[in-house]
Amino acid sequence: EAGVAQSPRYKIIEKRQSVAFWCNPISGHATLYWYQQILGQGPKLLIQFQNNGVVDDSQLPKDRFSAERLKGVDSTLKIQPAKLEDSAVYLCASSPEYGQPEQFFGPGTRLTVL
Amino acid sequence: QKEVEQDPGPLSVPEGAIVSLNCTYSNSAFQYFMWYRQYSRKGPELLMYTYSSGNKEDGRFTAQVDKSSKYISLFIRDSQPSDSATYLCAMSASGNNRLAFGKGNQVVVIP
Repeated sequence: EAGVAQSPRYKIIEKRQSVAFWCNPISGHATLYWYQQILGQGPKLLIQFQNNGVVDDSQLPKDRFSAERLKGVDSTLKIQPAKLEDSAVYLCASSPEYGQPEQFFGPGTRLTVL
Repeated sequence: QKEVEQDPGPLSVPEGAIVSLNCTYSNSAFQYFMWYRQYSRKGPELLMYTYSSGNKEDGRFTAQVDKSSKYISLFIRDSQPSDSATYLCAMSASGNNRLAFGKGNQVVVIP
């Protein structure tokens, strides 16, 4: 079974630029998550989708971050404009169904904002 | 007070030693308790999870949950150099699977 795929793996941008990350969850997994992991910290949930609907986006900085999950499969997370403090690893995870505690993580996208 | 506290101090042990890791939490609603392992430049990998209080064993790994004390532990027996990684505790409430993570413990097993 293929795991969660993410691209790009690394991205370097200057502040005020925009950036987008892509995630393809494990086939058949209905729930998809985006986490932000700052160096030395545990991951923090940004947004959770159930199929293509948003379940929880309470910690998403909506003035600059947006995410979508078209057709309930792939997802894209966008930052516009980026700030220095957005430098982090952006992790995508999926789980088979809502309420399932196990979440399977992708390798992450490491973002550096200069 | 943070929802999940995990002392992030690095831990170095000789090969074959027992590794002991722990987390405390403040949210009484947490029902699922998980341990993830994260190798450098990789995503977290689920090691094991426990529902409510009790112990769970999987090979060299044992997870313990004490809900009365809001305290969870992970023990790694006969540690191997391949166990060198960062270990993250994570928790979620029933019916809401937002995971709250600790900061992680970096473990180094010295051959």
